[in-house]
Amino acid sequence: GIQVEQSPPDLILQEGANSTLRCNFSDSVNNLQWFHQNPWGQLINLFYIPSGTKQNGRLSATTVATERYSLLYISSSQTTDSGVYFCAVPISGGYNKLIFGAGTRLAVHP
Amino acid sequence: DTAVSQTPKYLVTQMGNDKSIKCEQNLGHDTMYWYKQDSKKFLKIMFSYNNKELIINETVPNRFSPKSPDKAHLNLHINSLELGDSAVYFCASSRPTSGLYEQYFGPGTRLTVT
Repeated sequence: GIQVEQSPPDLILQEGANSTLRCNFSDSVNNLQWFHQNPWGQLINLFYIPSGTKQNGRLSATTVATERYSLLYISSSQTTDSGVYFCAVPISGGYNKLIFGAGTRLAVHP
Repeated sequence: DTAVSQTPKYLVTQMGNDKSIKCEQNLGHDTMYWYKQDSKKFLKIMFSYNNKELIINETVPNRFSPKSPDKAHLNLHINSLELGDSAVYFCASSRPTSGLYEQYFGPGTRLTVT
């Protein structure tokens, strides 16, 4: 089945720093989602991004489907950005069954 | 105004008991899902229903039985709970699976089996 790999697994930042999280997938996909799981456990939708680039405030995401990767950019990080970031892709023909990566655990220190 | 809601938020119970988790969505979606997040934060799909019909049934012990009384609700009943069932269970919903649509997740139910 499709493999989804995220890097780095852990990331520690000082407030105000920028970072790039990466998601590689082993097969072609028709869409991709980025989520933020905050320290309270909520899964928050960040981006639904099959291809191209989207921006939402300090966050932006780029998916290059032909090269099977997606990037999540966090600029001017804040302590509230802490948590785990997941990317997820659906299996082709799999009834929108999402396969999640293992996540990137981000800690932003003041 | 909560889009996808789950009850209860926390559930602590003893081995051997039977428990249920409820999920409701007010997004007008036709498809609902159950995911399990283990202690290492790994998320994996368990079940999916489309318009009350079971369409995804992963390799899950048959002690787990989903039920969808209508397309806005998806419940998860677990019989004879085991220690390994301790996890966070997330409900999600999306538009019909005829396309590939964004999934929205509930707040999760943290199940602890002692």
